[in-house]
Amino acid sequence: AQSVSQHNHHVILSEAASLELGCNYSYGGTVNLFWYVQYPGQHLQLLLKYFSGDPLVKGIKGFEAEFIKSKFSFNLRKPSVQWSDTAEYFCAVNAGTNAGKSTFGDGTTLTVKP
Amino acid sequence: GAGVSQSPRYKVTKRGQDVALRCDPISGHVSLYWYRQALGQGPEFLTYFNYEAQQDKSGLPNDRFSAERPEGSISTLTIQRTEQRDSAMYRCASSLAGTSTDTQYFGPGTRLTVL
Repeated sequence: AQSVSQHNHHVILSEAASLELGCNYSYGGTVNLFWYVQYPGQHLQLLLKYFSGDPLVKGIKGFEAEFIKSKFSFNLRKPSVQWSDTAEYFCAVNAGTNAGKSTFGDGTTLTVKP
Repeated sequence: GAGVSQSPRYKVTKRGQDVALRCDPISGHVSLYWYRQALGQGPEFLTYFNYEAQQDKSGLPNDRFSAERPEGSISTLTIQRTEQRDSAMYRCASSLAGTSTDTQYFGPGTRLTVL
């Protein structure tokens, strides 16, 4: 069975600081990887996804993530966070053979202080 | 266009009662997914549909939970004889083509509280 681990439950940063949120998954086969974000009072929405090609993927609002297959990792990064990045971030994985069944991590709450 | 909608947004019920949660996906989306999210945890897969066919129900915790999507559009998640442990946020999502790389679009969720 696939599983996802997000190492940091709560991260607090000041504006302009750099961000890296960890995500590790366990599954031996082909995977598709996603980062979702939930801003306060809003729905979960896609930030970025990886399924093939360049392991460094860029998403909305200046976020990027790097897929490192040997480390089973898909960490999310942003060079300089803004107050508006305050949100909860979820990493998710689905195995290529099971299109509908995504497994989510428990999320990381990011608080950015102005 | 309109996003995924869910109703009711909040539901408070007494233990033992049945509840029905509704999801209206984005028009034209083939796939529809149900998740449950407990406080402090990520969404947990329950089941999903392609059109009206239930493709995977392995995440439904027990036979009190069922879901249907009879016309390939609106879906209903039904919980019979609710228990306090069923209290959670129930999230619905839809995707255009139902492939593994598809983006899932989430609704606002239904917060269920069982007293």
